[in-house]
Amino acid sequence: DADVTQTPRNRITKTGKRIMLECSQTKGHDRMYWYRQDPGLGLRLIYYSFDVKDINKGEISDGYSVSRQAQAKFSLSLESAIPNQTALYFCATSDPQRGTDTQYFGPGTRLTVL
Amino acid sequence: GDSVTQMEGPVTLSEEAFLTINCTYTATGYPSLFWYVQYPGEGLQLLLKATKADDKGSNKGFEATYRKETTSFHLEKGSVQVSDSAVYFCALSALGLTGGGNKLTFGTGTQLKVEL
Repeated sequence: DADVTQTPRNRITKTGKRIMLECSQTKGHDRMYWYRQDPGLGLRLIYYSFDVKDINKGEISDGYSVSRQAQAKFSLSLESAIPNQTALYFCATSDPQRGTDTQYFGPGTRLTVL
Repeated sequence: GDSVTQMEGPVTLSEEAFLTINCTYTATGYPSLFWYVQYPGEGLQLLLKATKADDKGSNKGFEATYRKETTSFHLEKGSVQVSDSAVYFCALSALGLTGGGNKLTFGTGTQLKVEL
């Protein structure tokens, strides 16, 4: 089984709808992250969480919110989706106690907002 | 701020050709450097990493050396296969997040296509 899982893998929705993307991990890592990937732009950080009670905004948090329900679960919400939020979304985890704080990524969720 | 620049793609090679994908970085301090690979329809996988100057990361026949003097971390493979076709991302990790965590800064990715 994959260490970092994301659901759904693909989602098509309409402008104005509320969408939740979920991430679960079995790696036992405290740190979790949400990124979006756009063609030609690489990956950009949306939100991150260092433990259940810690949530921080990344470089592009506007229009997004997150919830850290447990050490293993970190959800990303789009309260009112808009077309320019069409992208590939990745969840990642890391554990700084294991050296370099290397981040490990999930398989991604492809979101299309019409 | 920190930044990563990698060569634009797509890079198209014949099977068994030599591969180089250039990556240079700008950072304060002493970042760790990574190469991630994204196969078609999949997520990012860590390919290799190096944590200090002159370290060489290697995996699956790929290798990259952390060159502080040229601020580079070029990815190389001696003989590519069709199965290496993917998008390759260079990234650096350095302190930069609230709470003392490392921020991962990515390049824009380089698509590699290997043909028979």
